[in-house]
Amino acid sequence: EAGVAQSPRYKIIEKRQSVAFWCNPISGHATLYWYQQILGQGPKLLIQFQNNGVVDDSQLPKDRFSAERLKGVDSTLKIQPAKLEDSAVYLCASSRGQGAAFFGQGTRLTVV
Amino acid sequence: AQSVAQPEDQVNVAEGNPLTVKCTYSVSGNPYLFWYVQYPNRGLQFLLKYITGDNLVKGSYGFEAEFNKSQTSFHLKKPSALVSDSALYFCAVSLGGSYIPTFGRGTSLIVHP
Repeated sequence: EAGVAQSPRYKIIEKRQSVAFWCNPISGHATLYWYQQILGQGPKLLIQFQNNGVVDDSQLPKDRFSAERLKGVDSTLKIQPAKLEDSAVYLCASSRGQGAAFFGQGTRLTVV
Repeated sequence: AQSVAQPEDQVNVAEGNPLTVKCTYSVSGNPYLFWYVQYPNRGLQFLLKYITGDNLVKGSYGFEAEFNKSQTSFHLKKPSALVSDSALYFCAVSLGGSYIPTFGRGTSLIVHP
């Protein structure tokens, strides 16, 4: 089966600009996650969807980050405006319920 | 709250020797435990999981992990290390029913020829 698809792979923006990332999960996976992985650290959950509803967004900086999962399939994560500390790899993952999460290759964001 | 600790930032082992990457967890309930591997410029790849049943779990690429409830540990092991096993390894835990995995900081495994 096809894996989790993410785009773009790399993005460089200036601080205060906006950026959006896209994720297409594995077909049939109801649960979708967005993680932020800062260099040298483990992934930190930003938001989790179950179908098109939000399960947990407690660690999402809502003043600048937003995410949506229309129709319970694809998802977009947006940052507006970006800060230097947002430089990280943004990982999307999907799973069938409580099974293992399968990850995309990630989007490496550099804010300059 | 749930948390994961990977006490070693780096593990060094000679090729052919057994390897162990340590993980301990804290969760108020029954844990679901996972190991992932990350190669440079790649996403995380699932290795194995413990949900219930046999405490010794076998996964991809010859890896296995042992769930120890009394020690709240889930150490990753392999009988004979390969140079190609060199990568970053992450342990993760979720509370059964919560669906929300929390990851450790990762352990860099270096296998020397």
